[in-house]
Amino acid sequence: GAGVSQSPSNKVTEKGKDVELRCDPISGHTALYWYRQSLGQGLEFLIYFQGNSAPDKSGLPSDRFSAERTGGSVSTLTIQRTQQEDSAVYLCASSAGTVLSGNTIYFGEGSWLTVV
Amino acid sequence: QKEVEQDPGPLSVPEGAIVSLNCTYSNSAFQYFMWYRQYSRKGPELLMYTYSSGNKEDGRFTAQVDKSSKYISLFIRDSQPSDSATYLCAMNSNTGKLIFGQGTTLQVKP
Repeated sequence: GAGVSQSPSNKVTEKGKDVELRCDPISGHTALYWYRQSLGQGLEFLIYFQGNSAPDKSGLPSDRFSAERTGGSVSTLTIQRTQQEDSAVYLCASSAGTVLSGNTIYFGEGSWLTVV
Repeated sequence: QKEVEQDPGPLSVPEGAIVSLNCTYSNSAFQYFMWYRQYSRKGPELLMYTYSSGNKEDGRFTAQVDKSSKYISLFIRDSQPSDSATYLCAMNSNTGKLIFGQGTTLQVKP
């Protein structure tokens, strides 16, 4: 597709279960970002990829969170042993290069995660 | 102190009003400044993008950057009910990621 695609769009999971969130960036975009947005809050940076490597993963809240990107394209964000405070919208974005080069980033619609 | 501060509002104005949205920041290394608009249950969409200080106009929208004061603004002229959304300012860090403000919720009443 033309935009950033995320799946699932909605996920309800039980506390303690693992979840995987998928992001398919815009074709040809080398940079990929994950952000988290809690209800009524701004966007909290989690991690960004340039190609398959992650120069900055400083925003991952704990070791329960991990992300990978393969083939310079699709990325998966995994949350292990989910907790209720993990409930949020997880937004993926991509850009043709990093914002340091003046590239703008484009967001997907988000994966709405609810932990019960 | 957060790197980027934005008044969360909510801000309610009548249709046709001029709206002013603002952000302040603390990192003098920020170079690129953006405004995103986010409708309810949607992802943010890029609205305006500016580099360094100055003004940029696009239709009813004007983005203004004052690097000396570390202050950016978004003005919306002749506001419409369809402008009702959350507006997020964003700026780049020297690590290549964007830092976002909290977002200001705007409601334009017919």
